[in-house]
Amino acid sequence: EDQVTQSPEALRLQEGESSSLNCSYTVSGLRGLFWYRQDPGKGPEFLFTLYSAGEEKEKERLKATLTKKESFLHITAPKPEDSATYLCAVQAVRNNAGNMLTFGGGTRLMVKP
Amino acid sequence: DAGITQSPRHKVTETGTPVTLRCHQTENHRYMYWYRQDPGHGLRLIHYSYGVKDTDKGEVSDGYSVSRSKTEDFLLTLESATSSQTSVYFCAIRAVDGNSPLHFGNGTRLTVT
Repeated sequence: EDQVTQSPEALRLQEGESSSLNCSYTVSGLRGLFWYRQDPGKGPEFLFTLYSAGEEKEKERLKATLTKKESFLHITAPKPEDSATYLCAVQAVRNNAGNMLTFGGGTRLMVKP
Repeated sequence: DAGITQSPRHKVTETGTPVTLRCHQTENHRYMYWYRQDPGHGLRLIHYSYGVKDTDKGEVSDGYSVSRSKTEDFLLTLESATSSQTSVYFCAIRAVDGNSPLHFGNGTRLTVT
C-alpha cells in the first residue's frame, strides 16, 4: 500500500526565514511525485512533478528535490503570500489504469511579516 | 484555473436524502476523479473515470456512486447521505498522458445534518 507522510503538520516562519518541508513516501515503484499548493477555500494548485532521485525543480522562491525515500520543498526567503497548505502526492508505476495519486496530509505554512 | 466547474459550491442536506454533486470540465480530458478532503485524512479518492461510461472505485467508495455520460461531466451521488459524508469534495481532471498532473476544481462543501 502506498503511503505519504508530510512533516511538520504546521510551520510558522518570519518573512525572509528560509526552511524546508518534508514528504516521506513508500511506494512500490515511483512513477512521479507531485507538489501542490492549496489556499483556504480553493482546490489544490499544481506546482511540480519529480520523476527520479536527484531531480530538482524550481519556481520563484520554491525548490523541490527528490531522493529514493523523500522529497523536500525548500522555501527561500518566504513572503506572507507564500502562506498556504502544501500537499505532496505520489503515483505508483502500477496505477496505469486510473493514474491515481496518493496524497499526504499536508503542511500548513504561515509566514508572518 | 484549468476549466473545471463544481456545483453547487455549498450544500446543506439532511441525513437520508440523496445528493448529487456535479463536475464540469472544458478541457476535454479523459480522466476525471472525485476526492474528499477531511482534517487528519488528507485527500482520499472516492471514484474515478477513464472515459465515457468507464468508472472505477477508489479507496473510500462505500455510499457513493458516479456516472459519466459525457466527456465533460462527472456526477457524484450520495444515495442516502450520512453525517460521516460531511466533507469537502473535489473534482480533478487529468490528460491522457500518465505523467501529467491532476488539476482540481474549487470544491463543494457538503454538510449533512
